[in-house]
Amino acid sequence: GAGVSQSPSNKVTEKGKDVELRCDPISGHTALYWYRQRLGQGLEFLIYFQGNSAPDKSGLPSDRFSAERTGESVSTLTIQRTQQEDSAVYLCASSLVFLTSGSHEQFFGPGTRLTVL
Amino acid sequence: AQKVTQAQTEISVVEKEDVTLDCVYETRDTTYYLFWYKQPPSGELVFLIRRNSFDEQNEISGRYSWNFQKSTSSFNFTITASQVVDSAVYFCALRTTSGTYKYIFGTGTRLKVLA
Repeated sequence: GAGVSQSPSNKVTEKGKDVELRCDPISGHTALYWYRQRLGQGLEFLIYFQGNSAPDKSGLPSDRFSAERTGESVSTLTIQRTQQEDSAVYLCASSLVFLTSGSHEQFFGPGTRLTVL
Repeated sequence: AQKVTQAQTEISVVEKEDVTLDCVYETRDTTYYLFWYKQPPSGELVFLIRRNSFDEQNEISGRYSWNFQKSTSSFNFTITASQVVDSAVYFCALRTTSGTYKYIFGTGTRLKVLA
């Protein structure tokens, strides 16, 4: 079956421009996560969706960052007025979530490498 | 506070050596889940194992083994007879059952296996 896909795979933009990053999770996965990984660093949590709602937005670095999810499927991460420090790989992951018990591994996409010049 | 610490930033071993990657976690929850992921040079994270807090039984899968000890809040990962293909960054992660379903990742350990 298809895994998590992300587009574009690479994005080069100029400082001050807006960018949209897309994530297509595995079909049926209700949970979707966005992470940022700077070069040589660990994963920095950005935001999590359960269905179409985002119960935890605590990781968004600033109000320039926003995300939405529709149809319990595709999610878009938008960065407005990009800055050079936004340069990183943005990873998306999805998982099955059982509300009462259990926990499932996240399946990661290949990431979008964002370069802000 | 929830936290995952991977104190080893980088480890280099010679092929066929055994190597252990350390992971120490912090949580006040009694029910939680621990994970290990591998990130090879290609970049895509690969799930290796999940362990819940009620199951302290160690697990072995081929050359991989995991040692979960609640008494020391550790979930260490050992690769036996390492191979060059094991070279990657390995991440330990924690998910608790209170609050939201956020996963907390450690900063990763870069393993280099030299031929």
